Order: sequence, then structure tokens, then C-alpha cells
Amino acid sequence: NAGVMQNPRHLVRRRGQEARLRCSPMKGHSHVYWYRQLPEEGLKFMVYLQKENIIDESGMPKERFSAEFPKEGPSILRIQQVVRGDSAAYFCASSPQGFGNQPQHFGDGTRLSIL
Amino acid sequence: AQTVTQSQPEMSVQEAETVTLSCTYDTSESDYYLFWYKQPPSRQMILVIRQEAYKQQNATENRFSVNFQKAAKSFSLKISDSQLGDAAMYFCAYRSRGGSEKLVFGKGTKLTVNP
Repeated sequence: NAGVMQNPRHLVRRRGQEARLRCSPMKGHSHVYWYRQLPEEGLKFMVYLQKENIIDESGMPKERFSAEFPKEGPSILRIQQVVRGDSAAYFCASSPQGFGNQPQHFGDGTRLSIL
Repeated sequence: AQTVTQSQPEMSVQEAETVTLSCTYDTSESDYYLFWYKQPPSRQMILVIRQEAYKQQNATENRFSVNFQKAAKSFSLKISDSQLGDAAMYFCAYRSRGGSEKLVFGKGTKLTVNP
């Protein structure tokens, strides 16, 4: 049973380019969460999505960041016009339902480096 | 908003000994979930143990156990018979019951296991 799959594992972008991070949840999971981890920090919540719906985006920066979870295909976190401060590890997690007693299962993360 | 505090940036323990990692949190909610996640150098986020706030009994998972003090808003992790493979960053996390279901993480404790 495959776990949460994130790709790419490493992504290098130059300032001003776009970054696209993909997340395929575990089979049977319909809830996806994105977190960002800055160096020497814990994970910070960004956005919570269900299929075709954004449930909570309170942790998303107001500009340049967007997320989607289409009916078919992986969830995508998109960062437009990247800046040095976007360098971080981005983690995706999934759960079968939006209930607290269902633990979130994490992918291995995408490490984004901005040149 | 909920906050999670891990006051020990680093801890060390001798192999086969016991170590306790501290975590406190702040919330006005009465029902919630608490988690400990382990992040080894590979950067995976691995669920170690979870506690439901309405349960008085402390959770245990093999060598891992928690001391949950609801009134004090404290949730410490005890690792018994420490092994070299336990070396990792450990993150304490809070999750509301209902609502957004997002995890709120502490900044982490780096655990070193000495042979």
C-alpha cells in the first residue's frame, strides 16, 4: 500500500520562476494538507484541501502561493515568482477523513532551493 | 490560536537509558488530540504516538509512552531502552477535534543517542 507520494524530492529554481510541487495522497485518502518547514523550525500549516475544495487556507501567504486538489490527479502547490525566502521543505500529508482521530500520514517532502 | 512549546532544543541519552522530552501547549478547547512525530535525517515525518484529550489513560506504544497532564497542558514523551535508531528530531503537535483538522507543531527537540 503506497504511502503519500511527493515529487520532485528536490527542486531548484531561480528567483522569479515558478515552482510546482505535487502530492499524491495514500489510496483511499481524500483529505490533503500542505506544510512548510523552514530550517531549524517545526512544520507550519499552509492549506487543507478536499477533492476540488479548499477547506482552510489560513496558513497560505496572500500572494504568489496557490493550491489545488482536482477531481483527478495529484494535489499541486504552486509558487509563482519564487524568492529566496521560499527555500524550505514542503510536506504533504493525507488522511482518509477530516476527523481528528485519523492521523495524518506524511510524504517525504520536497526540498525547494532558490538560487 | 493554539500554540505548542518544546523547551528543549536538544537532548542526549545513553543507549539503553530512558529519556523524557517535554511539550506544553496552550488552548481554550476542551477536546483535542496530541501527537509526537519523529523526523530522522531522512526527513520523513513518522507518527510515534497519539493521545486523545478525553482519555485519561496515557498512551503507550512499545518503548514510547506519554505523560499527559491535561490541567497543566503538558504532554511529555518518554522513550525507554533508547536505541541508536531513535536519534532524530521529535515534534510535538496539537490538533483540534473538529474544525480545520490542521496540526500545530512545536519547534522540535533534537535527540542524540550515544553508544
